[in-house]
Amino acid sequence: EAGVAQSPRYKIIEKRQSVAFWCNPISGHATLYWYQQILGQGPKLLIQFQNNGVVDDSQLPKDRFSAERLKGVDSTLKIQPAKLEDSAVYLCASSSSGPNIQYFGAGTRLSVL
Amino acid sequence: GIQVEQSPPDLILQEGANSTLRCNFSDSVNNLQWFHQNPWGQLINLFYIPSGTKQNGRLSATTVATERYSLLYISSSQTTDSGVYFCAVNFGNEKLTFGTGTRLTIIP
Repeated sequence: EAGVAQSPRYKIIEKRQSVAFWCNPISGHATLYWYQQILGQGPKLLIQFQNNGVVDDSQLPKDRFSAERLKGVDSTLKIQPAKLEDSAVYLCASSSSGPNIQYFGAGTRLSVL
Repeated sequence: GIQVEQSPPDLILQEGANSTLRCNFSDSVNNLQWFHQNPWGQLINLFYIPSGTKQNGRLSATTVATERYSLLYISSSQTTDSGVYFCAVNFGNEKLTFGTGTRLTIIP
């Protein structure tokens, strides 16, 4: 069974530029999550999708971050414009129905200069 | 929201040693997962253990839900065990809350 796929693995941009990350969950997993992990901290949930609907986006900075999950499969997370404090690893996870066991992708490491 | 604390924050051991990592949480949970984040940043599932005891090779975990803690045991440590260990919990449909992590370094 293929795992959660994310791209790119690394991205370096200057502040005020825009960036997008892509995630493809494990096949059949209805729930998809985007997390932000700042160095030295645990991951923090940004947004949760159930199929293509948003379940929780309470911690998503909506003035600059947006996410979509078209057709209930893969998802993109966008930052526009980026700030220095957005430097972090962005992790995508997915889970199936039943126990909330989340499986994570390898992440995208973003550096904002 | 639920508070999750892990101890110790850092642990340095010689290869072959055993270790116990602890996770305390502040409220009732029905989901608890242990993860290993390797030096490349990948979060790897170790256990889904909302209660009871599980074992997988050199690793085992025990959760005592009524006392709001979980323990992760690593026996005969290897250098590949190095990284950060996180526990994460939630209740019902609440979001998964991660602990502060334990950074484990295994010295050859």
